[in-house]
Amino acid sequence: NAGVTQTPKFRVLKTGQSMTLLCAQDMNHEYMYWYRQDPGMGLRLIHYSVGEGTTAKGEVPDGYNVSRLKKQNFLLGLESAAPSQTSVYFCASSYSFGRGEGGNQPQHFGDGTRLSIL
Amino acid sequence: LAKTTQPISMDSYEGQEVNITCSHNNIATNDYITWYQQFPSQGPRFIIQGYKTKVTNEVASLFIPADRKSSTLSLPRVSLSDTAVYYCLVGGSRLTDSWGKLQFGAGTQVVVTP
Repeated sequence: NAGVTQTPKFRVLKTGQSMTLLCAQDMNHEYMYWYRQDPGMGLRLIHYSVGEGTTAKGEVPDGYNVSRLKKQNFLLGLESAAPSQTSVYFCASSYSFGRGEGGNQPQHFGDGTRLSIL
Repeated sequence: LAKTTQPISMDSYEGQEVNITCSHNNIATNDYITWYQQFPSQGPRFIIQGYKTKVTNEVASLFIPADRKSSTLSLPRVSLSDTAVYYCLVGGSRLTDSWGKLQFGAGTQVVVTP
């Protein structure tokens, strides 16, 4: 049981290049999320998905696109990378709200992708 | 959307109890309070969650006063391995609440020394 796996772990891009970050979870979670973490700012939610084929915007969605074609995978795309997108990206997953006694289901995080854009 | 305020950093010695208070003055009726822990080069890890009064698990305790405008995470008898950043989150329990915009904030850096 690997939990949440992110690939790649590190990447350096040039301005204007595109790339896709892959997130895979093996816990059969309904919800998946993408965050970015910048120094002194904690984590900020980029996009999230409540199920296969559905996505929604978070706090900082501009410049990113996402897709959830399979329940276990959540892809984050940068179509034209900019230096402002240099960050550490975290993927997370959780069960849906219908489980348990209420409250937010704990999110399980991957170990992050360190992305530098020159 | 409930904004949270935490101390930037806290220092402690091994074996002591560490209490981190989070302020969330405009918490909504449906909001829960959740705490995460993050070690360097790792993603955050869920610690504890509560709605009111006190919640305790094998790792920590969470104290929430009646007005719910603040909460305190208590780490009993910390060790060096408890050195980490701790985040307080406030968010709704349903998709129609503020959940979709959960904010981690900058967190509290706890440093435990021998």
